[in-house]
Amino acid sequence: QVQLQESGPGLVKPSETLSLTCTVSGDSISSYYWSWIRQPPGKGLEWVGYIYYSGITNYNPSLKSRVTISVDKSRNQFSLNLNSVTAADTAVYYCTRRSIADYWGQGILVTVSS
Amino acid sequence: ETVMTQSPATLYVSPGERATLSCRASQSVSTNLAWYQQRPGQAPRLLIYGASTRATGIPARFSGSGSGTEFTLTISSLQSEDFAVYSCQQYNNWLYTFGQGTKLEIK
Repeated sequence: QVQLQESGPGLVKPSETLSLTCTVSGDSISSYYWSWIRQPPGKGLEWVGYIYYSGITNYNPSLKSRVTISVDKSRNQFSLNLNSVTAADTAVYYCTRRSIADYWGQGILVTVSS
Repeated sequence: ETVMTQSPATLYVSPGERATLSCRASQSVSTNLAWYQQRPGQAPRLLIYGASTRATGIPARFSGSGSGTEFTLTISSLQSEDFAVYSCQQYNNWLYTFGQGTKLEIK
């Protein structure tokens, strides 16, 4: 059974960097694409970006200058870094598998506030 | 960017009845269209991909149709657990984009 689990701080100060990790079990990170998707409170879903195990990435153009997604094959994990955060980055962040998002983590609420 | 527009925003249907949800793309996405269900406080769940293929474990009462720019999700006989938010998503063009969602409420 494929499982994804997000981890990281739930509170980040404005202008600082949001860092999250997704740990994958039941599947190898060296297959498929792996993505981050976020959902601001009460709003719709937004694709942040994805990474392939080889390191190929693609980012949402609206976030491209601030976002980095990386992969750690040895730990079967992938990570999200989003810098210079503002209140607009407050959201539930999900990690998912594939472009059709067939498996999701439970999500982690990240609040940007001082 | 491909804009996905869902209608209606809220749909009121009685249990046991049929629900029909619509999704329109601002440009053709072929059949690279997925539907998700999201219950309160939960992560979305994949229902349909390829516009019409049910994901593993999804009941047969869920069906999808359409191609190009017009898509439909039909739930043939609503069960209590089906009242949730449904979102469509295109994966034909990067940036993958979602519709704003249709909330299915009990009538």
